[in-house]
Amino acid sequence: GESVGLHLPTLSVQEGDNSIINCAYSNSASDYFIWYKQESGKGPQFIIDIRSNMDKRQGQRVTVLLNKTVKHLSLQIAATQPGDSAVYFCAENRLNTGNQFYFGTGTSLTVIP
Amino acid sequence: ETGVTQSPTHLIKTRGQQVTLRCSSQSGHNTVSWYQQALGQGPQFIFQYYREEENGRGNFPPRFSGLQFPNYSSELNVNALELDDSALYLCASSLWHGTNEQFFGPGTRLTVL
Repeated sequence: GESVGLHLPTLSVQEGDNSIINCAYSNSASDYFIWYKQESGKGPQFIIDIRSNMDKRQGQRVTVLLNKTVKHLSLQIAATQPGDSAVYFCAENRLNTGNQFYFGTGTSLTVIP
Repeated sequence: ETGVTQSPTHLIKTRGQQVTLRCSSQSGHNTVSWYQQALGQGPQFIFQYYREEENGRGNFPPRFSGLQFPNYSSELNVNALELDDSALYLCASSLWHGTNEQFFGPGTRLTVL
């Protein structure tokens, strides 16, 4: 069935290095994507979003890349810090479904001091 | 501006009981979505409320129901609780104008014994 999935369930990086978290989606009707960060015991926290008419968007220390041809999304975190340790989810919104989002399983990022 | 709040924080019920979870949306947001997040999984969309009516539903049985009030706050009701209903229940608020970013509350941890 159609789904949003992540390539790697866990990722460990050294503090100061850059992190890249990947996400694949299979629904061609997906037109809006959000990356969320979820720390233990908390709700998902909005990081950055991107619409399907863009292929790149930058925020503070984060960049999201969207490749619609291969239905792939990535989140790049520059100069990863211990506070970035969390589970990261990509969520997709499918055209004409309003604000209904579909989440993948998540990638657990661990930053090694 | 106040964020999304949920109550209670934790709840323990027994199989067959009924439960009501509450959510107050972020100031100015008129749409509320509910998600179920099982341990180690991404959030799964339950349903969404706009203008006090259900607007979209995920793959959840009718014993999951909800309400939205004129002040945009919302309730999630689950009848005939099953063991598999044990999860973190998340509420997210957003503005109803096409697709927009959603902001999540901290969640209610429901345990069914």
